[in-house]
This record gives sequence, structure tokens and C-alpha cells, in this order.
Amino acid sequence: NAGVTQTPKFRVLKTGQSMTLLCAQDMNHEYMYWYRQDPGMGLRLIHYSVGEGTTAKGEVPDGYNVSRLKKQNFLLGLESAAPSQTSVYFCASTENSSGNTIYFGEGSWLTVV
Amino acid sequence: AQSVTQLDSQVPVFEEAPVELRCNYSSSVSVYLFWYVQYPNQGLQLLLKYLSGSTLVKGINGFEAEFNKSQTSFHLRKPSVHISDTAEYFCAVSRYGGSQGNLIFGKGTKLSVKP
Repeated sequence: NAGVTQTPKFRVLKTGQSMTLLCAQDMNHEYMYWYRQDPGMGLRLIHYSVGEGTTAKGEVPDGYNVSRLKKQNFLLGLESAAPSQTSVYFCASTENSSGNTIYFGEGSWLTVV
Repeated sequence: AQSVTQLDSQVPVFEEAPVELRCNYSSSVSVYLFWYVQYPNQGLQLLLKYLSGSTLVKGINGFEAEFNKSQTSFHLRKPSVHISDTAEYFCAVSRYGGSQGNLIFGKGTKLSVKP
């Protein structure tokens, strides 16, 4: 009954360090998404994927890279972390058809100092 | 492009009172509409969605919303709130025919239910 799982849940980085957030879903969904949530801003789409091997930019892609080598996994990378990337990151997934529910992970809290 | 405006950032209300959380959107194309709830330190959970058909949509936990195309609104209502409804609520849209995960979110409304 896992759904969408994000790791790690909490991380503190120093400016300039790199890291990868992992999102895994066990529902065989085609579409996967990475959002960031900042106070008073709602959620904003960073990157998304419409299937294995595909990625696309969302609303706020700068400073992030993604990969979808396996259908069940969607990785979000920060090559050189900046304090502006301090945020809560949410992964989500959904089937490739209208009307289906979007499932969100529980979030990853990232602090860049 | 689409945008979403949630007119109230915070809504305090007493337990068992009715509540309405307001959401307006702008879009040059048809959209799907959603309301999500986020409890503290948790992810988002879908409350309800409007895709097509009846403009009155019923969701979980006794919430409902009405799509008003002429006013480009999708307000969320509950006739009697509980303490457990205290959370942040997000209105969102996605482009009709596009991926439903490509959501544009409002900035959220914090509902605080007091005893």
C-alpha cells in the first residue's frame, strides 16, 4: 500500500553541494511530477515526465535536472544547491488518461545553508 | 496560460459553522478544476474535482464545490465544519486535454476551526 514514496524526507545541504531526491511509485503510472512548495506560493511544477525515458520542463525548472530511467522512478537532482532552493518538494503521479486521481508523496524537506 | 486566485489566505471559523473558501481562475481554454487539502507536515489529498457534467461536485469529508463558468469560480463549501477540518486548502486547474498533473495551484487558504 505504498503509493508514492519520496526519499529522503529531510536533508540539510551546504551551498554548492549536490543531491538527488528519489520518487518511487508502485501504481504503474505513466505520468510523474516534481513540485516545490514555498510559503504563500502554493505548489509550482518543476519538471514532469509523461513516460519512461521522457522529461519536460514545468513552471520553475532552473537549477534542477530530472531523469526517468525506469517507469516507477523519477529522480530530481540539484547539481549545485542554492539557498533559494530551500523548500518542500512533492512528487506526484497519475495515469495517462482523463479523470484519474493524482497521487502525491508526503514531501521532502530540503534546507540549503 | 492559466492562473488561480484564492481570495482568502486565512479563514477562521467556529466549529459547526458553515464555511466557503473562494477560488477564481483565469484561462483562455477549458480547464479541469480541483480542490486539495494538506494537513500539517503531510502531502496533498484530493478533495474533489470538476471535469465535466454537473456543476455541483461533491467530495470527501462533506465538502462540495460549484463550478461557475460565467464567473470563472470554483468555490468550496461545507455546511458544518469540524476541528479536524483545520488544514490548508489549495485550488488548482489543469488545461483541458492536457495532463491532469500539470497543475497550476493557488496560493492556498488556511482554514482554522475553533471550538
